[in-house]
Amino acid sequence: DGGITQSPKYLFRKEGQNVTLSCEQNLNHDAMYWYRQDPGQGLRLIYYSQIVNDFQKGDIAEGYSVSREKKESFPLTVTSAQKNPTAFYLCASSSRDRAQPQHFGDGTRLSIL
Amino acid sequence: GENVEQHPSTLSVQEGDSAVIKCTYSDSASNYFPWYKQELGKGPQLIIDIRSNVGEKKDQRIAVTLNKTAKHFSLHITETQPEDSAVYFCAASRASGGSYIPTFGRGTSLIVHP
Repeated sequence: DGGITQSPKYLFRKEGQNVTLSCEQNLNHDAMYWYRQDPGQGLRLIYYSQIVNDFQKGDIAEGYSVSREKKESFPLTVTSAQKNPTAFYLCASSSRDRAQPQHFGDGTRLSIL
Repeated sequence: GENVEQHPSTLSVQEGDSAVIKCTYSDSASNYFPWYKQELGKGPQLIIDIRSNVGEKKDQRIAVTLNKTAKHFSLHITETQPEDSAVYFCAASRASGGSYIPTFGRGTSLIVHP
């Protein structure tokens, strides 16, 4: 089945620690996205990438970093500079051909120990 | 940038009733409007979408209407069932530098009571 796989489903971070969230897709989509979801806030864009080796900051990029070395993979690192990292993180992908819907993974819930 | 307002934030209905969720957007250049359903612990899933050259679209019990002049669009669910209970998000997007980055509303928690 084609889709997006996020791992792990639950992740815990200690103070001062960087953690990396994995996102893999086998939909052959060019564009990939990372969102942060907090209760009552909807989905806020962290980073997005339209092609391999290129990515752009979204609305809340501070304290996060990404890479796009392969078309299928778009990992997100939550750095120690992100002071409030507790949230539900969603990865999505889409085709770049005209406006197309995004396909989402089932998310990673990150908590602070 | 684009701003999407979504109302209500919570909607409680009895099984069999209709539910309507409304969204407004600010950027007149937005031309694609998807709706997503998110169940607890899952990622959002597309349920219906509409493009700016269409005023209404239906898919079984779900319909979406778009008023470009007023810059608002709505989701209509008829004959609601308990399994319709979820959080629903609207979004608006437009082409920008070769990509379509949607702006999402804050979501509506729909509760259908059996």
